[in-house]
Amino acid sequence: DSGVTQTPKHLITATGQRVTLRCSPRSGDLSVYWYQQSLDQGLQFLIQYYNGEERAKGNILERFSAQQFPDLHSELNLSSLELGDSALYFCASSVVGSNTEAFFGQGTRLTVV
Amino acid sequence: AQSVTQLGSHVSVSEGALVLLRCNYSSSVPPYLFWYVQYPNQGLQLLLKYTTGATLVKGINGFEAEFKKSETSFHLTKPSAHMSDAAEYFCAVSDGSSNTGKLIFGQGTTLQVKP
Repeated sequence: DSGVTQTPKHLITATGQRVTLRCSPRSGDLSVYWYQQSLDQGLQFLIQYYNGEERAKGNILERFSAQQFPDLHSELNLSSLELGDSALYFCASSVVGSNTEAFFGQGTRLTVV
Repeated sequence: AQSVTQLGSHVSVSEGALVLLRCNYSSSVPPYLFWYVQYPNQGLQLLLKYTTGATLVKGINGFEAEFKKSETSFHLTKPSAHMSDAAEYFCAVSDGSSNTGKLIFGQGTTLQVKP
């Protein structure tokens, strides 16, 4: 158990819909990262928050947004969903700093039908 | 920009044989390098990391990797494969200068261990 909790584990939704993925980081970790894992793109960094503020942005679509709340949990919002958004979405947390280990949650598998 | 290339999307070895998973990176700044393992239907677990210091890094489950700057490589090895090592392995690089901790991953290598 990494200590990072993601809910829900599975999500099936229709095209055009909006969903929210939730992540609770490890106790004490201020930094949260979101990654997308798909068969064609592999593991892609989406966005990072540190103590409530956006810290780094990767290949995140404009239809996607995220935030980190005062209790440090984070949410990834995906809207106007397309079939191609079907993927495994991972949250990871760490003490900020590029030499520290990121702990990954078990992911949310999103299926868009 | 940083990038990671893992040579071989699938590697098959016999139980007890040497495991060698190849990783080459590209980075204009001193890299921090990681190997993660992903078992089916699970998240990623850190095997080992290189930040600074000793270039031969030992990790969990008997794995080790050597950072070779001249070859821009960070290959993962294990002397003797076990059935439980069957999984997908990811090499990743982090920008040592930006201090964000975001990881750039390779495409992954699926390790099959035959009895």
